[in-house]
Amino acid sequence: IQLTQSPSLLSASVGDRVTLSCKGSQNINNYLAWYQQKLGEAPKLLIYNTNSLQTGIPSRFSGSGSGTDYTLTISSLQPEDVATYFCYQYNNGYTFGSGTKLEIK
Amino acid sequence: QVQLKESGPGLVQPSRTLSLTCTVSGFSLTSYGVSWVRQPPGKGLEWIAAIWSGGSTDYNSALKSRLSISRDTSKSQVLLKMNSLQTEDTAMYFCARWGTTEPYYYVMDAWGQGASVTVSS
Repeated sequence: IQLTQSPSLLSASVGDRVTLSCKGSQNINNYLAWYQQKLGEAPKLLIYNTNSLQTGIPSRFSGSGSGTDYTLTISSLQPEDVATYFCYQYNNGYTFGSGTKLEIK
Repeated sequence: QVQLKESGPGLVQPSRTLSLTCTVSGFSLTSYGVSWVRQPPGKGLEWIAAIWSGGSTDYNSALKSRLSISRDTSKSQVLLKMNSLQTEDTAMYFCARWGTTEPYYYVMDAWGQGASVTVSS
């Protein structure tokens, strides 16, 4: 399954509601996770099984979706959220999207 | 505290074999699996291989002929070997804890800091 993330670059202001998209080439059956990777660091798990928030992750992060279309939402963007975000599917093989780079405007 | 730490040679000559070790602490390799993921400079993530808590293995189909993953549970270590290295294998190589039970099935919930591998003569 191929994953297409959009946009590839997103610039938003602190406090904005931000939505990142991930679209699969086939049905993902909700086996979709989101990772945050800050510059020079390892990826960090944010969301798994489409909408389950990983322990310790702020509640401003949420996930949704079904079928082939999935979304990561940040309800109120914070400066520490600057990072690249990758979606990851594990329904059929294991593949990552190409990432969305999020920056502060 | 769950920790994973990768170690490796840093620089490998083309056509040679890469050996990477992932040393884990805070969990047992008989309860969780470990997977490897790589990231070429400035690029995205690619899942490479995994070893399950029971010892079975799984490989990226595009790389399978070049890969071997194994473990030493007494040392809490997972070993990845990749042969016939080329310049396009230059990347940061991460190991990650691989969920083998619900709700974390196939999810990587803890990662090492990565080992940088450069393929060059």
